[in-house]
Amino acid sequence: GAVVSQHPSWVICKSGTSVKIECRSLDFQATTMFWYRQFPKQSLMLMATSNEGSKATYEQGVEKDKFLINHASLTLSTLTVTSAHPEDSSFYICSARVASGYEQYFGPGTRLTVT
Amino acid sequence: EDQVTQSPEALRLQEGESSSLNCSYTVSGLRGLFWYRQDPGKGPEFLFTLYSAGEEKEKERLKATLTKKESFLHITAPKPEDSATYLCAVQASNDYKLSFGAGTTVTVRA
Repeated sequence: GAVVSQHPSWVICKSGTSVKIECRSLDFQATTMFWYRQFPKQSLMLMATSNEGSKATYEQGVEKDKFLINHASLTLSTLTVTSAHPEDSSFYICSARVASGYEQYFGPGTRLTVT
Repeated sequence: EDQVTQSPEALRLQEGESSSLNCSYTVSGLRGLFWYRQDPGKGPEFLFTLYSAGEEKEKERLKATLTKKESFLHITAPKPEDSATYLCAVQASNDYKLSFGAGTTVTVRA
């Protein structure tokens, strides 16, 4: 149980374009989902917290107009990187919190490369 | 601000050589301390949650313990498949966010 999927697993896009990453909880309902980015050999940095049906809460220093988060249902959250630039290249990972508990279960991650 | 410090950064073990990883933390009101395992290019895999000092949890060759200031992850008789980065994270009682440490990368040689 507690399986989270992400799509795509990797994506290459050109500078200036936008890319959408999907995060789904497959066997549970997630009232809260989280988006992280991870640079090589570094730990996870929380970007934003999203609650179903409400606006996401962004961490300090994260541009909300650049990283658009939508949490339209209890099983799906999306992250759209708008007008991507090479410095946005990173490993993006989502997680979902089980409604009845405190643990976060993570997706497999999405490798974004902006050329 | 919550702080999590993991040590050592890297640990190289011979198969069967038991060892411990340390996670020191400061948080204003701990709800839970979490251990995850992360393989290269993958998302973290949940291992344990510890809620109160003195609590211990075990899973196969792994055992996690918690005090008021730190947590230990003990690896008993490790095997090569235990090679991974082990991440520690804390959750404050007033939030659901996790604050992660930098991780300890464990390499187990056959």
